[in-house]
Amino acid sequence: DIQMTQSPSTLSASVGDRVTITCRASQGVGVWLAWYQQKPGKAPKLLIYKVSSLQSGVPSRFSGSGSGREFTLTISSLQPDDFASYYCQQSNSYPYTLGQGTKLEIK
Amino acid sequence: EVQLVESGGDLVQPGGSLRLSCAASGFTFSNYWMTWVRQAPGKGLEWVANIKPGGNEKYYVDSVKGRFTISRDDAKNSVFLQMDSLRTEDTAVYYCVRLERSGYFEYWGQGTLVTVSS
Repeated sequence: DIQMTQSPSTLSASVGDRVTITCRASQGVGVWLAWYQQKPGKAPKLLIYKVSSLQSGVPSRFSGSGSGREFTLTISSLQPDDFASYYCQQSNSYPYTLGQGTKLEIK
Repeated sequence: EVQLVESGGDLVQPGGSLRLSCAASGFTFSNYWMTWVRQAPGKGLEWVANIKPGGNEKYYVDSVKGRFTISRDDAKNSVFLQMDSLRTEDTAVYYCVRLERSGYFEYWGQGTLVTVSS
């Protein structure tokens, strides 16, 4: 199984900050990497797919990059609505696996 | 508008069974793989199972193999998750998800809570 490890687990930041979340895979996942945002009590929301493709309707302050085993989600200027949990997910091979999550908190 | 509505979550004793349903609308259901993803209370997301259109190809996470069965009825735009031999660690919100070709989860239902406890 491919293990996905996110860092950090918790991130404290302020409105307007640029933040980066990292996702490392235990083996290569090609371009089959997605990112999700989840707010408490709600279903996750797709942000990025195929490493860097922005899902329709997602603000352009979100971006994804990386290749092989290391990937990043960047929020260029944090907005109040962005404080949530974030997950990466690989679909290169079964079983599909997700990172443990990164909780983005207000500093 | 794509809609996925789960039902069937409940409190069940360890060793018991439960069947989750997901009613889909707003898209051509028979063209899409469907997925179940779960989230234990206060924990992260875990992929559970996928099913191909027509139902002849299925995949499961190891922890549910032999206990859970994913199925679908393309004529009724529905996908199901039959859960047998339930364990306390199966307690979670179960989400029905439409799977995109690249294997990502584009549309999610609101989730249904399964609690396994004596």
